Amino acid sequence: DAKTTQPPSMDCAEGRAANLPCNHSTISGNEYVYWYRQIHSQGPQYIIHGLKNNETNEMASLIITEDRKSSTLILPHATLRDTAVYYCIVISTGANNLFFGTGTRLTVIP
Amino acid sequence: EAGVAQSPRYKIIEKRQSVAFWCNPISGHATLYWYQQILGQGPKLLIQFQNNGVVDDSQLPKDRFSAERLKGVDSTLKIQPAKLEDSAVYLCASSGGWGETQYFGPGTRLLVL
Repeated sequence: DAKTTQPPSMDCAEGRAANLPCNHSTISGNEYVYWYRQIHSQGPQYIIHGLKNNETNEMASLIITEDRKSSTLILPHATLRDTAVYYCIVISTGANNLFFGTGTRLTVIP
Repeated sequence: EAGVAQSPRYKIIEKRQSVAFWCNPISGHATLYWYQQILGQGPKLLIQFQNNGVVDDSQLPKDRFSAERLKGVDSTLKIQPAKLEDSAVYLCASSGGWGETQYFGPGTRLLVL
């Protein structure tokens, strides 16, 4: 599975959009982009995933570039409860081994 | 829908002792995973089951770790004997089927003294 690169930390003001980037320049055609987050002392929480098209659900939006080499997770109106480590994971269709890496620590500031 | 349940939430033992963790996956989920998360790192897969069969245990330290899912539902992960470096959070996850989205439990935090 392709490796991902994320900034180690980011800050975001409460109520503003949080845009978390992820680079996956070696992604192949059958690999999905998954996002999980882990709030302190909790298990990872699934957020969203996509293959080619942009995706949106009740938690976030996922924007994947046309060449699929990078993506951005958007939390439209960040709250203090969104403070967490966010993991971008690339995984092949039908594969099960999620490689978490070190993620981006997002701090939402009041 | 109830999520993945794990117990205990915390456990403190001395090195060379034994410990067991329990996981109850989301109802109907065929695939179950155990991950180990050392402080400051992302979770690392230890073993995965499809129903009651082991699919991949290549990352499981089999000299001291064992896991089972006898009836294809609940699972237990055991460490015997524990070492100091086993101090970590042990996470259980489940998915509806092979390659589907994984959902995680709250984890069991183990401290080995």
